[in-house]
Amino acid sequence: ILNVEQSPQSLHVQEGDSTNFTCSFPSSNFYALHWYRWETAKSPEALFVMTLNGDEKKKGRISATLNTKEGYSYLYIKGSQPEDSATYLCACSMDSNYQLIWGAGTKLIIKP
Amino acid sequence: EADIYQTPRYLVIGTGKKITLECSQTMGHDKMYWYQQDPGMELHLIHYSYGVNSTEKGDLSSESTVSRIRTEHFPLTLESARPSHTSQYLCASSVDRVTEAFFGQGTRLTVV
Repeated sequence: ILNVEQSPQSLHVQEGDSTNFTCSFPSSNFYALHWYRWETAKSPEALFVMTLNGDEKKKGRISATLNTKEGYSYLYIKGSQPEDSATYLCACSMDSNYQLIWGAGTKLIIKP
Repeated sequence: EADIYQTPRYLVIGTGKKITLECSQTMGHDKMYWYQQDPGMELHLIHYSYGVNSTEKGDLSSESTVSRIRTEHFPLTLESARPSHTSQYLCASSVDRVTEAFFGQGTRLTVV
């Protein structure tokens, strides 16, 4: 059984502080790693899709890194703002099949 | 903004009723997916499609069925709803597994 683990499960961060959280996945037969942001009452929205070991992607104050050899990805948020409050999901696809395997998410709450 | 739509957004229905959850996308994506998600838990793939007349069951056993007669339309049907079907159902589409998936806003189903 393939598992994608996200930690922490939830996180309270003061507005203006930077934060990061982790996605762990099976390193063998890795194909791609996705990050999504899911705000309450909205649809999940893609942040990044990464495939190469050492990949780093950035979108505004949010960035992500990928280590396929050890099977983890970090998502960083610099200078958290209230609008960053959301659940952040990661998902992994393996070489062997098409399906995305999802983590349970990290719920981020920004305190003003 | 993603052009993928789900109806209804919320549905409360009695046990034994037949229901169809609608999902349509206007992006011309071949790949479409149905996920089931309970609060605080991972998204679980219940059905997917690679294109017209192609449907496959996902990793989570489901009593639902799907059809893909047109590229843009991927409805999910429950022949006889039960309380155990109470959950959130999310529809998504993508070009392929290394590109982002676009999600509908979900259908929250309650079977009483």
